[in-house]
This record gives sequence, structure tokens and C-alpha cells, in this order.
Amino acid sequence: EDQVTQSPEALRLQEGESSSLNCSYTVSGLRGLFWYRQDPGKGPEFLFTLYSAGEEKEKERLKATLTKKESFLHITAPKPEDSATYLCAVQGGSSNTGKLIFGQGTTLQVKP
Amino acid sequence: NAGVTQTPKFQVLKTGQSMTLQCAQDMNHNSMYWYRQDPGMGLRLIYYSASEGTTDKGEVPNGYNVSRLNKREFSLRLESAAPSQTSVYFCASSERFDQPQHFGDGTRLSIL
Repeated sequence: EDQVTQSPEALRLQEGESSSLNCSYTVSGLRGLFWYRQDPGKGPEFLFTLYSAGEEKEKERLKATLTKKESFLHITAPKPEDSATYLCAVQGGSSNTGKLIFGQGTTLQVKP
Repeated sequence: NAGVTQTPKFQVLKTGQSMTLQCAQDMNHNSMYWYRQDPGMGLRLIYYSASEGTTDKGEVPNGYNVSRLNKREFSLRLESAAPSQTSVYFCASSERFDQPQHFGDGTRLSIL
């Protein structure tokens, strides 16, 4: 069964304190791994797609990496506006439906 | 630049009542999806439409029906609402099933 586990559940950082969020997955043939950001009262906002082990993508202070078993979202020198819940989702190779399996998210709080 | 628009934003129903959640996208996407988000459960797929004219069940379809009205619109209907359907409902769309999904801001539904 396809499964996604994110850790930690919650993370508090001081502004400028870099850290990483983890997304571990089991899936039969990874078709894609997706990172989203969700602000309170809003829908998930797409950040990155990773397709194969070794792939990396960057956007401002965020960098996503992928191995065969997990993905990391590295946050460098975070700012308070980076506070949000970060969601990881996978699409398995058996899916030609677009079905995503989501983790439960990591809630990040960055204090000034 | 609306993206995915969901109506209503909030709704309170009594057990047994019916209602339809509306979703429209203006990105000319082929695929559309309905998810529910519950605390501790993450986002779960209810129904999806890979292309205009097709719909299929996701992970948690019981108690729901959908209609892909045209390429832009995808509605979700609760025929006889139950308290277990209290949730936040998100609609999403993607250009193709293997492309990133873009979400609306959700409908917060409470069933008493």
C-alpha cells in the first residue's frame, strides 16, 4: 500500500535558523513526488515536483531533494513569512488517475 | 487570475439535508479532483475526473456523487449529509493526470 510519512509534525525555528523537513514514502513505482505549502484557511499551493532519485529543485529559500525512499525540504535562513504547513504527496506508477497520496504535513513556525 | 474557484466557502447543514459544492477552473485543465481534509487524516481523494465526460471513485467515495458539467466545472453532491462528512473540501485541477494539481481555497462544511 502506498504510504507517506512526514516528520516532524511541528517545527519551531528562529528567523535565520536553517533546517530540513522529511518525507518518507513507500510506493510501487514513483511517478512523481510533490511538495505543497498550505496557509491557514487556504488551499495547498504547489511548490515542487521531483521525478527521480538525485533530482533537486530550488525556489528562494527552499530546496527539495529526492532519494529512493525519502524527500527533504531544506529551508535556508527562514523568515517569519515561511511559516505554514508543508505537505508532501506521491503519485504511484500504478496510478493513471492523478491520485495523490498525501502525508499529514509539517507545521513550521518561524519566530522573528 | 482566479485559478480554481469553490463555492460556497462555508456551509452548515443538518443531518439528512443535501447540497452541492461547486468548483470551476479557468486554466483549461483536463483533470479535476475532489478531496476532503480532516485533522490527523491528511488530504484524501473522493472522486476525480481524468477528462471531460469521465468520472471515477477515489479513496473515500461513499456518500458522495459528482458531475463533470463541462471542461471547467466539477461539482460534488452530498445526497443525505451525515456528521461524519463534516470536513474541509478541496477541489483541484491539473493539465494532465501526471501534472501538478492546483487547489482552490476550500469549502468548510459542518453537519449537525
